[in-house]
Amino acid sequence: EAGVAQSPRYKIIEKRQSVAFWCNPISGHATLYWYQQILGQGPKLLIQFQNNGVVDDSQLPKDRFSAERLKGVDSTLKIQPAKLEDSAVYLCASSLLGNEQYFGPGTRLTVT
Amino acid sequence: AQRVTQPEKLLSVFKGAPVELKCNYSYSGSPELFWYVQYSRQRLQLLLRHISRESIKGFTADLNKGETSFHLKKPFAQEEDSAMYYCALGGGTGRRALTFGSGTRLQVQP
Repeated sequence: EAGVAQSPRYKIIEKRQSVAFWCNPISGHATLYWYQQILGQGPKLLIQFQNNGVVDDSQLPKDRFSAERLKGVDSTLKIQPAKLEDSAVYLCASSLLGNEQYFGPGTRLTVT
Repeated sequence: AQRVTQPEKLLSVFKGAPVELKCNYSYSGSPELFWYVQYSRQRLQLLLRHISRESIKGFTADLNKGETSFHLKKPFAQEEDSAMYYCALGGGTGRRALTFGSGTRLQVQP
């Protein structure tokens, strides 16, 4: 089966600019996660979707971050405006009813 | 609050030596523990979970609720085991997102 797809793989922007990341989960996986991984740390959950509904967004900085999964399939994560501390790898993962999570390759964001 | 601690950032061993990657957790409910691995230039992938109690690539991990630990062990390290290892804790009912530790880099020298 095809894995979780993410794009772009790399992005460099200046602070205060906006950026969007895209994720396409494994077909049939109802649950989708966005994680932020800062250099030297483990991934940290930003938001979890079940189909097109939000299950947990308690750690999402809602003043600048937003995410949607309109048709319950692919998802976008947006940052507007970006700050230097947003430099990180953004990981998307999907799972079938909360079992094993499959991760995408990630998007490496550098904010200058 | 959920918390996962991996005290070692780097563990360096020689090929054939035993390996133990430490993981301690804090969780008030019934924990679900996992080990994920990331090989060079590859994506994060599940290595093993405590529920399945299986050995993957020679690695095992036993959940010790008394010591709140889930250490990863392998009796004889191989060079291909060199990677980044993350211990992760699953949430309770209805919340399956993972809380990750900061990771331990395992280097197996020839």
